[in-house]
Amino acid sequence: EVQLVESGGGLVKPGGSLRLSCAASGFTFTTYSMNWVRQAPGKGLQWVSSISNTGDYIYYADSVKGRFTISRAQTSLYLQMNTLRAEDTAVYYCARRPYDSSGAPFDFWGQGTLVTVSS
Amino acid sequence: SYDLTQPPSVSVSPGQTASITCSGDKLGDKYVSWYQQRPGQSPVLVIYQDTNRPSGIPERFSGSNSGNTATLTISETQAMDEADFYCQAWDSTTVVFGGGTKLTVL
Repeated sequence: EVQLVESGGGLVKPGGSLRLSCAASGFTFTTYSMNWVRQAPGKGLQWVSSISNTGDYIYYADSVKGRFTISRAQTSLYLQMNTLRAEDTAVYYCARRPYDSSGAPFDFWGQGTLVTVSS
Repeated sequence: SYDLTQPPSVSVSPGQTASITCSGDKLGDKYVSWYQQRPGQSPVLVIYQDTNRPSGIPERFSGSNSGNTATLTISETQAMDEADFYCQAWDSTTVVFGGGTKLTVL
């Protein structure tokens, strides 16, 4: 059974840092591109970052570039979030893509972890 | 930046056909995926590469994409189809989601 389990969310003050993790199981992790997508409370989906299956190609949304860092190792995906802002408050989902071309969809999503940035 | 525009809401009667549109500049030149998100749940892929259904998704769900508009069509709509639906495409190395459409089955 495919599973993506996010962890690491919580309450953090503006300017603070947080590291999210996503534990993958039930599929060959090294053959999938991995991604973070977030959803602010009551809002739509917003892509955050992608990393290719080899880790060679990494992309970020402009809103997080320079503040967030995506990485992967063994069967886990990570998102290091620094200089957090109130507008980063959201549920963060881990999602996989079966390949890196523009036609590849997000074919499986985790349950998400909530990040709240507030003083 | 590239934008995808969806209607905020669509209503349909049970058993009827619902159509949800997604508009973007030359969207027909890109691949579009669609996701269903029920309240309190994670998104689920229902259509990929414009017209393809993943295994386990009912045949009632279909997609098309041409010109500037992609469309998700749900035939014989059921109460369980009530959810938020999002279109998604790639613009160069950036992922773009539409703003989402709330489908209400009245």
